[in-house]
Amino acid sequence: AQTVTQSQPEMSVQEAETVTLSCTYDTSESDYYLFWYKQPPSRQMILVIRQEAYKQQNATENRFSVNFQKAAKSFSLKISDSQLGDAAMYFCAYSPYNAGNNRKLIWGLGTSLAVNP
Amino acid sequence: EAQVTQNPRYLITVTGKKLTVTCSQNMNHEYMSWYRQDPGLGLRQIYYSMNVEVTDKGDVPEGYKVSRKEKRNFPLILESPSPNQTSLYFCASSPRGSGANVLTFGAGSRLTVL
Repeated sequence: AQTVTQSQPEMSVQEAETVTLSCTYDTSESDYYLFWYKQPPSRQMILVIRQEAYKQQNATENRFSVNFQKAAKSFSLKISDSQLGDAAMYFCAYSPYNAGNNRKLIWGLGTSLAVNP
Repeated sequence: EAQVTQNPRYLITVTGKKLTVTCSQNMNHEYMSWYRQDPGLGLRQIYYSMNVEVTDKGDVPEGYKVSRKEKRNFPLILESPSPNQTSLYFCASSPRGSGANVLTFGAGSRLTVL
């Protein structure tokens, strides 16, 4: 069974600094998607970034980028120039590429990120 | 605005009193699903639907029912709620095709069962 592990329950970063959140996963599939979702205090689940496993190039979205290491089954999120609005719970999630009828996401337990002014 | 709308956002109820959490999306998505989020357990899938009249169980379906009579709506029904169903519930949807694995989430419904 696929699993997703986030080993850092809590992290903090100074405003304008860079922080990296870790995620590892376990799967026997060769094609899949990986995601980072952000959940601010409003509880809304917001997609931050998506990575297709068949793409070697790491995904980037403005200040957010990932370090995808397929062989190591590692998928870390780097937040550059951290802003107060980045404070949230961050979830790593996995989805098989060919999920059939169920596009279920398998979730890590989250990392709570605090941004200090 | 493209969105998934859940109602109610907050609800306190008592054991055994039937309730329905509505979910509606305006993006013409084929796929819809329900998750519950609990501390220490993360998000777990309750039910999902591939299209109208096509639904199936997720990982934690006990105590819940769903229906998909219209493409845009996917209500979650708790026939006889119990305190262990106190949770934060999310509805999500996604389209067929290349965006199929990208879920759009509703804002969440906080349910407390006394």
